[in-house]
Amino acid sequence: SQTIHQWPATLVQPVGSPLSLECTVEGTSNPNLYWYRQAAGRGLQLLFYSVGIGQISSEVPQNLSASRPQDRQFILSSKKLLLSDSGFYLCAWSESSEYSPLHFGNGTRLTVT
Amino acid sequence: GQNIDQPTEMTATEGAIVQINCTYQTSGFNGLFWYQQHAGEAPTFLSYNVLDGLEEKGRFSSFLSRSKGYSYLLLKELQMKDSASYLCAVKDSNYQLIWGAGTKLIIKP
Repeated sequence: SQTIHQWPATLVQPVGSPLSLECTVEGTSNPNLYWYRQAAGRGLQLLFYSVGIGQISSEVPQNLSASRPQDRQFILSSKKLLLSDSGFYLCAWSESSEYSPLHFGNGTRLTVT
Repeated sequence: GQNIDQPTEMTATEGAIVQINCTYQTSGFNGLFWYQQHAGEAPTFLSYNVLDGLEEKGRFSSFLSRSKGYSYLLLKELQMKDSASYLCAVKDSNYQLIWGAGTKLIIKP
C-alpha cells in the first residue's frame, strides 16, 4: 500500500532563517505531488504541484520554492522566512489519473518567530 | 470567479444524523471530494462523486446534483469521534482542486 511521510512534525524558526521541509511517498510511481498551506481556521491554499521529476508549477507568488529531485520526493524551501509564513504545511500525493483523490501527509506546523 | 460555500459550523447530538451542505460555482466540473480533518491533523479522504446521485460508505453518504451545483455529506449514527471539520473540494475544467473553507462539526453527548 502507499504511504506518505512528511517531516518534521513541528518547527519553530526565527524570521530570516532558511526552511526545508521534505516529503516522500512509498508504494507508487510517478505520483502527482502537492504542497499546501493551511492558516488557522482557513481553507487549504495550494502552493506548488508537480506531475514529474523537475516539473514544478507554482500557484502563489511568494518567498517559497519547491523541488522534486526524485520521483517520490518533494521538498519545500525558503531562503528567508517571514512571519506570514507561519502555518500548517501539508504534502499530498495522488495518482496521475485526473479523478484520483489526494492523500495527505501528517503535516508540519511551522511557527516563525 | 470560482467559489465553494459550506456552513462554517454545525452542532449535532451523538447518535443523530447530520447533513453538511456544499454549493459550488466553478469553471467546469470533474468531480467533488469530501475530506474529514480532525483538529491539528491532516485531511483524510472520505468520498468522491462525479455522477449525480448518492454514494454510500458505511455511516457516511455523499450526494451530488451537478445541475444545481450542490452536494451534501450525510453522517448517520453520530459518534463523538466524528467531531471534526469537513472539507468540500471540486475539480474544475483544468482538473485543479478548488477547496471550501470547511465546516466544523461539533458533536454533543
